[in-house]
Amino acid sequence: DVKVTQSSRYLVKRTGEKVFLECVQDMDHENMFWYRQDPGLGLRLIYFSYDVKMKEKGDIPEGYSVSREKKERFSLILESASTNQTSMYLCASSPTGVTGELFFGEGSRLTVL
Amino acid sequence: AQKITQTQPGMFVQEKEAVTLDCTYDTSDQSYGLFWYKQPSSGEMIFLIYQGSYDEQNATEGRYSLNFQKARKSANLVISASQLGDSAMYFCAMRDFYTGNQFYFGTGTSLTVIP
Repeated sequence: DVKVTQSSRYLVKRTGEKVFLECVQDMDHENMFWYRQDPGLGLRLIYFSYDVKMKEKGDIPEGYSVSREKKERFSLILESASTNQTSMYLCASSPTGVTGELFFGEGSRLTVL
Repeated sequence: AQKITQTQPGMFVQEKEAVTLDCTYDTSDQSYGLFWYKQPSSGEMIFLIYQGSYDEQNATEGRYSLNFQKARKSANLVISASQLGDSAMYFCAMRDFYTGNQFYFGTGTSLTVIP
């Protein structure tokens, strides 16, 4: 069974802390994505990566960085967490090409106090 | 500019009835893909159906069908014979050749199936 695995389902952090969200996929997909989901706003793309060590900014990259050192792993980093980063974070992967669907992880719900 | 528009924040449907969830898209590309995802209250995103821009037939997957009207740039999801388990958020998404590997999502429609 193909899988995208996110390291934590629920996290509670304090303002100013550094936060790492890890994502691993086992489908050998070239592309990996980090989305943020907030009620009424749908899914907004933070960053995506189309190859190892390659990354592209999405619609809302401010306050976030990413790392992709291996093909199967894509990490989202909040350098200094703020309360407005409280949200659901979804990792996804896909093969290249317009026909390739997105495969999602279960999501990580982050609360910043 | 908004690439995917879902104008129905919430919808209600009687059990066993059919329901249509609207989605319009914006692209100048000829090659693109349209997707629908379901997100139950548990939070996982479930892929439902895919339509390619060059597909002449509307896509179908079980009780799900995609009403693809290319000239109108609409890709509505039709769920037939609604079940209580269909209550969820539904997201329309697009991937086009111009933007390469990016997916664009709508804001979603919350569907509630009434017994």
